[in-house]
Amino acid sequence: NAGVTQTPKFQVLKTGQSMTLQCAQDMNHEYMSWYRQDPGMGLRLIHYSVGAGITDQGEVPNGYNVSRSTTEDFPLRLLSAAPSQTSVYFCASSPLAGAGERGYNQPQHFGDGTRLSIL
Amino acid sequence: GNSVTQMEGPVTLSEEAFLTINCTYTATGYPSLFWYVQYPGEGLQLLLKATKADDKGSNKGFEATYRKETTSFHLEKGSVQVSDSAVYFCALSKDGGFKTIFGAGTRLFVKA
Repeated sequence: NAGVTQTPKFQVLKTGQSMTLQCAQDMNHEYMSWYRQDPGMGLRLIHYSVGAGITDQGEVPNGYNVSRSTTEDFPLRLLSAAPSQTSVYFCASSPLAGAGERGYNQPQHFGDGTRLSIL
Repeated sequence: GNSVTQMEGPVTLSEEAFLTINCTYTATGYPSLFWYVQYPGEGLQLLLKATKADDKGSNKGFEATYRKETTSFHLEKGSVQVSDSAVYFCALSKDGGFKTIFGAGTRLFVKA
């Protein structure tokens, strides 16, 4: 059972380069999201999606693009890498809250992360 | 807005010591509360959860009680092990799970 798979695990870029971080899940989860993790700041939401064709911005979306063409995949694109984007990136997925479960929100399943360094 | 505040680390304990990691939150309505654990080189894993006031979440000897009156969800364990060394994140989620809010994380070191 693969769960959430992120590739690559490590990447070094030069300022101005572009790249795509891949995320795939095999649990048929509707909800997927991208976070960045920086020391002392916890996880901050970059973008999220509630289903194929639907995406929205999180707390820190600038410099990143996403798309959701299938339920399984949710790639994150850095258009022009900057040193401030050096971070560890996590993809997560979860089912949407079930009908009738007022206030209950499903926990998220995380990938192992991509450590990205921008020089 | 919604927020989560947890005690700063690192926390260093000897094996078999009692652990408390404080977590308080700010949110309207009825959020669900979570503790996640992150081991070195890995992503976050759900440790325990609570979905309404006075619920107690528990797993692997860890416990946390959802206290709406004090807006707290403190993590406790009676006897820690070296294998518990990790970073612990408190989090809240509402409105169908969108935009989960995480605390800054607390690193725990357990010495043999």
